[in-house]
Amino acid sequence: AQSVSQHNHHVILSEAASLELGCNYSYGGTVNLFWYVQYPGQHLQLLLKYFSGDPLVKGIKGFEAEFIKSKFSFNLRKPSVQWSDTAEYFCAVNTYSSASKIIFGSGTRLSIRP
Amino acid sequence: DVKVTQSSRYLVKRTGEKVFLECVQDMDHENMFWYRQDPGLGLRLIYFSYDVKMKEKGDIPEGYSVSREKKERFSLILESASTNQTSMYLCASSFAGPTNEKLFFGSGTQLSVL
Repeated sequence: AQSVSQHNHHVILSEAASLELGCNYSYGGTVNLFWYVQYPGQHLQLLLKYFSGDPLVKGIKGFEAEFIKSKFSFNLRKPSVQWSDTAEYFCAVNTYSSASKIIFGSGTRLSIRP
Repeated sequence: DVKVTQSSRYLVKRTGEKVFLECVQDMDHENMFWYRQDPGLGLRLIYFSYDVKMKEKGDIPEGYSVSREKKERFSLILESASTNQTSMYLCASSFAGPTNEKLFFGSGTQLSVL
């Protein structure tokens, strides 16, 4: 069964700092990878996704993520964070053989100091 | 806009009660999901359904059952609520397909079992 690990539970940064949130998955076959974000008081929403092709994917609000197959990783990055990026970020994975089953990581809470 | 509606925002129940959590989506999505969200544990999949009357267990199905009699509605049932089922419950839906592109989430039901 697939699983997802997010090792950073809480990250605190100042505005304009660069961000990288780690995500590793365990599954030997073909996977689809996602980052979701939950802003305070709001629904979870999709930030970006990787299905195939260019391993560097760009999402909304200046976020990007890189799929490194050899490392089973899909880290989320942003060159310069803003106070409005304060939120909880979740990495998720599904597989081609079981596309309906989407598994989430434990989440990373990001706090941005103004 | 896609809408996933959960019937209650807050619910307080007693130990041993039977609890029904209802979820309705208006986008004709094939897939529907129930997750619970707990601090430090992220989202954990309880059950999902890829068609009417079809269901599959997620990672933590114990103590729960589900019902999908109509395509737009997916119910989560706690047969005999226990205090360890106090949690935020999130319903989600998506189109079917090999990549299952995007989950749409409801606003959640915060269930407290006393």
